[in-house]
Amino acid sequence: GAGVSQSPSNKVTEKGKDVELRCDPISGHTALYWYRQSLGQGLEFLIYFQGNSAPDKSGLPSDRFSAERTGGSVSTLTIQRTQQEDSAVYLCASSLRVTSEQFFGPGTRLTVL
Amino acid sequence: AQSVTQLDSQVPVFEEAPVELRCNYSSSVSVYLFWYVQYPNQGLQLLLKYLSGSTLVESINGFEAEFNKSQTSFHLRKPSVHISDTAEYFCAVSAVDSNYKLTFGKGTLLTVNP
Repeated sequence: GAGVSQSPSNKVTEKGKDVELRCDPISGHTALYWYRQSLGQGLEFLIYFQGNSAPDKSGLPSDRFSAERTGGSVSTLTIQRTQQEDSAVYLCASSLRVTSEQFFGPGTRLTVL
Repeated sequence: AQSVTQLDSQVPVFEEAPVELRCNYSSSVSVYLFWYVQYPNQGLQLLLKYLSGSTLVESINGFEAEFNKSQTSFHLRKPSVHISDTAEYFCAVSAVDSNYKLTFGKGTLLTVNP
């Protein structure tokens, strides 16, 4: 079946604008994770969903970051009032169960000018 | 909480030579261990995993890793590398006390030269 998909693949925005990043997990996967990858910080966890609930938001770097998941499927990561330090590749991963291996999407490269 | 240390940021080798990419972790609870590979301009792909059972795990393209609990290590090895193995390799750990989120090492860039 299809893997994890993310859109857009690239996003260029101006400082101060809001952006929305979308993740479509593998069908039937109950757990969904957001990470980001940047040169300075490596791969960092952002938020974890089990179904539509987010029991772990500990990685969100500020209150400008939020995420939701609907129907136990699609998830959207929203960054408000983007800053240049938000520039990174945002990765989504899903797993069948929380104890299963995670499969990653291709990522969204966000550039904040 | 967990942490992962990948001791080598870059490993250059010649084609057909053996390679070992080192990974050590710390955790106060039992862990699951993973190696992910990222080819140039591509996403993360799962290379192999240790969840339970045999401590030696293998991938379909000739890599293997051994979970050593006493040394808290999960080193990745391949007896003979190909140019196509050139990529960045990330070791990751997850555990029940962190909702099984992945904690990654900083990565090792493996460059295979002809």
